[in-house]
Amino acid sequence: DAGVIQSPRHEVTEMGQEVTLRCKPISGHNSLFWYRQTMMRGLELLIYFNNNVPIDDSGMPEDRFSAKMPNASFSTLKIQPSEPRDSAVYFCASSLGGQRNYGYTFGSGTRLTVV
Amino acid sequence: KNEVEQSPQNLTAQEGEFITINCSYSVGISALHWLQQHPGGGIVSLFMLSSGKKKHGRLIATINIQEKHSSLHITASHPRDSAVYICAVRAAVGSQGNLIFGKGTKLSVKP
Repeated sequence: DAGVIQSPRHEVTEMGQEVTLRCKPISGHNSLFWYRQTMMRGLELLIYFNNNVPIDDSGMPEDRFSAKMPNASFSTLKIQPSEPRDSAVYFCASSLGGQRNYGYTFGSGTRLTVV
Repeated sequence: KNEVEQSPQNLTAQEGEFITINCSYSVGISALHWLQQHPGGGIVSLFMLSSGKKKHGRLIATINIQEKHSSLHITASHPRDSAVYICAVRAAVGSQGNLIFGKGTKLSVKP
């Protein structure tokens, strides 16, 4: 398995533009997580899905952020409109099992810069 | 107060030294994870623990559930061990998989 695949690796965009981040989880994993990492706040959960259903989106900063998981092999995180304070590294991770203890696999991250 | 606290925040060591990074947490957990992140790099899962001790190469992770404490040890440290080490816990209740992260320990091993 190629692991969790995120794209793009780097994104530079202007304030106000729409940004879409993509994630392909490991085949067979049924939990998918979107995290944001900044110097100030470290890693924070944005949203996670179990069996393609959003379970907890309380970490999504505001209505400008939205996430979808149309099927078990693909998820998107969209920011519209983007702002400079959204600049961060966004990680996607997947895991097998809801209540059971399975390991997590992280993608390489998308480094977003909003200018 | 953060639910997961790591110490130290920063650590500089000489090559060959024995290194310990500590993690304390305040919630009941079902598992604790140690993660490694190299500068500009992705996050790699090193260990997942729910009790006792695990060893992988020069890395050893221990957990004391009663004391809500875990340690990550690196024996015979090497400059390639330089990275940020992150402790993360999965709460025992109210969570279907989400991790709560510590702020990380930045380790620098000098040759």
